[in-house]
Amino acid sequence: QVQLQESGPALIRPSEILSLTCSVSGDSISPYYWSWIRQSPGKGLEWIGYTYASGHTNSNPSLKSRVTMSLDASANQLSLRLTSVTAADTAVYFCAREGRGGGFFDFWGQGALVTVSS
Amino acid sequence: EIVLTQSPGTLSLSPGERATLSCRASQTVNSDYLAWYQQRPGQAPRLLIYGTASRATGIPDRFSGSGSGTDFTLTISGLEPEDFALYYCQQYGNSPLWTFGQGTKVEVK
Repeated sequence: QVQLQESGPALIRPSEILSLTCSVSGDSISPYYWSWIRQSPGKGLEWIGYTYASGHTNSNPSLKSRVTMSLDASANQLSLRLTSVTAADTAVYFCAREGRGGGFFDFWGQGALVTVSS
Repeated sequence: EIVLTQSPGTLSLSPGERATLSCRASQTVNSDYLAWYQQRPGQAPRLLIYGTASRATGIPDRFSGSGSGTDFTLTISGLEPEDFALYYCQQYGNSPLWTFGQGTKVEVK
């Protein structure tokens, strides 16, 4: 069974960098696309972007200028960096695996709550 | 960007009843690439349906999806206690932006 676990700081200050890691167990990350998704009370579920082992990435146009995603196949991990955060970036952040064929999410991490506050 | 509108916002039903959830897209969803998820409090969403009508692994057959173009439906035939939760639709047919609906809450009447 594939399992995903997000980790990173729970509290960061405005203008800082949000940095999260997702550790994957139960399968290799290489054959799949991996996405980051966030959920906040005000905006519901929002897809942040996906990344692939080849380095191919794609992200939500509304966040593109602030998002960096990467994979470390040797560690079976993926990472997310979001720069210049504001209170609007406060959310639960999920990593998720895209199913075969792409675009839908068949395995999810439990989520990591990140609060942006001074 | 494709906007997905789910209705109703809240569905109040009794166990054993049939639930019909709607998801309407602001434009055609290419290839009917529409998925449904269930989310219980404090948990991550769980994939129920992908490609409009294909059940994910381990999902009971009381869950079914249908529709095409801009109108999609999730039906739960005979609600079990564990089915009272939030449900989201998601489109993935229109790159580069996957989008979600705002959710329908199925609650006990």
